[in-house]
Amino acid sequence: KAGVTQTPRYLIKTRGQQVTLSCSPISGHRSVSWYQQTPGQGLQFLFEYFSETQRNKGNFPGRFSGRQFSNSRSEMNVSTLELGDSALYLCASSLTTGIKVYGYTFGSGTRLTVV
Amino acid sequence: DQQVKQNSPSLSVQEGRISILNCDYTNSMFDYFLWYKKYPAEGPTFLISISSIKDKNEDGRFTVFLNKSAKHLSLHIVPSQPGDSAVYFCAASARTGANNLFFGTGTRLTVIP
Repeated sequence: KAGVTQTPRYLIKTRGQQVTLSCSPISGHRSVSWYQQTPGQGLQFLFEYFSETQRNKGNFPGRFSGRQFSNSRSEMNVSTLELGDSALYLCASSLTTGIKVYGYTFGSGTRLTVV
Repeated sequence: DQQVKQNSPSLSVQEGRISILNCDYTNSMFDYFLWYKKYPAEGPTFLISISSIKDKNEDGRFTVFLNKSAKHLSLHIVPSQPGDSAVYFCAASARTGANNLFFGTGTRLTVIP
């Protein structure tokens, strides 16, 4: 079956702009989580969506937001981009919420560069 | 504050020898630990996990050891193969609360043929 699909793979934006990233989970998976990967910080949790509801949010400013659609696809949005937002954004899908039982499958990520 | 730490950014090992990757954590509420492997331009892939009720879990060439009193876990790869060259992330999940993972900063393993 198809894996987790993230689009676009690469993105270059200018400081102050906004950006929307997309994630299509594995068919049948209802939970989608987003992580930011930077060299110094590793992977940091942004938020988790399950059944179109945000269930959990990490320690990121309000410029970072997301949503999930009825087909479980998810988008994340970053407004007023800053240079420090340059990172690899990873989406992970899971059958349902509950990492200990169901685990994650990660997508390949979207590499965002802010100039 | 980094609750999961991987203090070695890189490790080089000869093919056939043992690779030992280390991870420390600070949060005593963590009760489930995972290792992920990441190749360039790909997302992390799950490797092995361990629950806090165990101190060892083995899967083929990969063994994870957990020392709860020291808040330390390690991943052993025996024997190491060139295809094991990747970045390895340690991750932890808390007993209560949210289901997200806390990741370390990763260790780049290079297996030299």
